[in-house]
Amino acid sequence: AQSVTQLDSHVSVSEGTPVLLRCNYSSSYSPSLFWYVQHPNKGLQLLLKYTSAATLVKGINGFEAEFKKSETSFHLTKPSAHMSDAAEYFCVVSLSGGYNKLIFGAGTRLAVHP
Amino acid sequence: DGGITQSPKYLFRKEGQNVTLSCEQNLNHDAMYWYRQDPGQGLRLIYYSQIVNDFQKGDIAEGYSVSREKKESFPLTVTSAQKNPTAFYLCASSVHKGQDNEQFFGPGTRLTVL
Repeated sequence: AQSVTQLDSHVSVSEGTPVLLRCNYSSSYSPSLFWYVQHPNKGLQLLLKYTSAATLVKGINGFEAEFKKSETSFHLTKPSAHMSDAAEYFCVVSLSGGYNKLIFGAGTRLAVHP
Repeated sequence: DGGITQSPKYLFRKEGQNVTLSCEQNLNHDAMYWYRQDPGQGLRLIYYSQIVNDFQKGDIAEGYSVSREKKESFPLTVTSAQKNPTAFYLCASSVHKGQDNEQFFGPGTRLTVL
C-alpha cells in the first residue's frame, strides 16, 4: 500500500533561517511526488513535483526538494524563510495506474517568527 | 483568467438538510475531484470523475452524491445521511488521469452544520 508520512506536524523557524519539512513515502511503484502549500482558508497550490527526472526538484518561491529512493524520502527545503512562507504544507504521492489518485500526508504547519 | 471556482465560500446548514456545493473549471480539464479536509488531517477523496457522465466513489463517499453533466461542472451534494458534514471541501481538476499530472485546486467551501 502507498502512504505518506510527514514527520513533523508543526515546524517553527525564525525569518531568514533555513526551512526543512520532512516527508517519507511508501510506494510499491516508482512514485510521482508533490509538495503543495495551503494558506489559511485557501485552496492548495503546487510548490513542486518529482516525476522520475532529476532527483533535485526546484519549485516556486525558492523551495526545493530532493528525491532519495534509498531513504524513501522527499524532504522540502528553503535556504531562508520569509514571513509569507507561514502556511500548511502537504507532501503527496500519486498512485500509478488507473486514475490520478493522490495520497496526502497529514500536513506540516510552518510558523515563521520575526 | 483560467482556474477553478467554488461557491459559496461559507455555507451553513441545518441538520437534516441537503446542500449542494458548486465547482466550475475553465481549464478544459477532463478529470475533476472532490476532497474533504478536517483539522489536522490531509485531504480525503470523496468522489472523482474522469469524463463527462461518469464518476466514481472515493474513500469516503457515504452521505455524498455528485453529477457530471458538463465538462466544466462537478457539483457535490452533502445529504442528510452524512453524519458529520462540518468540514472544508475542496474541488480539484487535472488534465487527465496520468500519474504525474498535478491537480489544480479551487479556493474551497467551508460547510458548518448548525
